Amino acid sequence: GENVEQHPSTLSVQEGDSAVIKCTYSDSASNYFPWYKQELGKRPQLIIDIRSNVGEKKDQRIAVTLNKTAKHFSLHITETQPEDSAVYFCAADLQGGKLIFGQGTELSVKP
Amino acid sequence: NAGVTQTPKFRVLKTGQSMTLLCAQDMNHEYMYWYRQDPGMGLRLIHYSVGEGTTAKGEVPDGYNVSRLKKQNFLLGLESAAPSQTSVYFCASSGAWHQPQHFGDGTRLSIL
Repeated sequence: GENVEQHPSTLSVQEGDSAVIKCTYSDSASNYFPWYKQELGKRPQLIIDIRSNVGEKKDQRIAVTLNKTAKHFSLHITETQPEDSAVYFCAADLQGGKLIFGQGTELSVKP
Repeated sequence: NAGVTQTPKFRVLKTGQSMTLLCAQDMNHEYMYWYRQDPGMGLRLIHYSVGEGTTAKGEVPDGYNVSRLKKQNFLLGLESAAPSQTSVYFCASSGAWHQPQHFGDGTRLSIL
């Protein structure tokens, strides 16, 4: 079936460094790619999304890039801060609009 | 403006018991979803609804039923709970496909 692969599963960086999380998807018809952040014990919250008609989108320290030919997209966080520590999920839509989520990346930012 | 509210927050069941999880949203969203979250497996879609009176199966629908009698409410039922259904359940809503999904705080369900 259709799926989304996310790597790495854990990521540890020093405060101020950059963090990159990568996802690949299998459905070539996917057009919508959101990223969610989930702090421990909390609800997932949307941090950024991108649609297939653009290759990159930025929001302050967060950016997402999309390569539709290769069917992969990435989340980039610059100047990381301890409050960026959380689990991050990528997702892609299937035909019909439903989201398939990646397995998650646990990001730890060390002060 | 509460957003998406889930009740209960925690529940412990015995194998074979039944229960209903309630999700309510006050954003007038058409689309509502139920996910389960298990360690290392991300969020998996159980059932979803694209409007009042409609429901459809997601990735992992077996053992669950849903109803959307009112636009603002989406109920998830377990008719005969099994230990494999121990999980954290999240409800979400959105205005349409490809619109941000807003999640509730989750229900932590343990089945003994």
